[in-house]
Amino acid sequence: DQQVKQNSPSLSVQEGRISILNCDYTNSMFDYFLWYKKYPAEGPTFLISISSIKDKNEDGRFTVFLNKSAKHLSLHIVPSQPGDSAVYFCAALEYGNKLVFGAGTILRVKS
Amino acid sequence: EAGVAQSPRYKIIEKRQSVAFWCNPISGHATLYWYQQILGQGPKLLIQFQNNGVVDDSQLPKDRFSAERLKGVDSTLKIQPAKLEDSAVYLCASSLGWGLAGVTEAFFGQGTRLTVV
Repeated sequence: DQQVKQNSPSLSVQEGRISILNCDYTNSMFDYFLWYKKYPAEGPTFLISISSIKDKNEDGRFTVFLNKSAKHLSLHIVPSQPGDSAVYFCAALEYGNKLVFGAGTILRVKS
Repeated sequence: EAGVAQSPRYKIIEKRQSVAFWCNPISGHATLYWYQQILGQGPKLLIQFQNNGVVDDSQLPKDRFSAERLKGVDSTLKIQPAKLEDSAVYLCASSLGWGLAGVTEAFFGQGTRLTVV
């Protein structure tokens, strides 16, 4: 039973445009969410996070939005750059500080 | 700063054989994690160490998987005997702290890709 779902396996965006990656979760007890970025042959790296007491967190070109009532969060990348092409994982923090990951979305930014 | 080192990078074994993976965390990092990532899925935590003590191993299949962290530094993950469904990438990560800070500040290694045939 997947508690964190990323329903889009892949996304293709033109350079300079906005990339929107979506994530849904089922466990209302989750109160902290994270996004990770992974390049081929490398481990995931932490990108940005958001606490459930906020609905938005911004870091440069990356913004994460959280809609608690819909149990939905999204990562916006503006403007998208070719170097952003990677796999993006959404994760939620479970009790005991254990991460529950989604299956990932492959982002391709075309130049 | 050197990253998290894992070896081997790739391993192919037959089912029912044994296999071991090695992880050398970043120097000084007290917390070490082992994750299993099956193709098409996100990483799943298998075990978390704080220094050389186990913090969480609730998702480790203990009938066949074992892990240790000697002297609170290097760690090995072993599978004995392996099954076809163990085919996955095994990721090691380490962090200076623990708890929420440990999670957000964790550095991952490149992983070991295991294929069980």
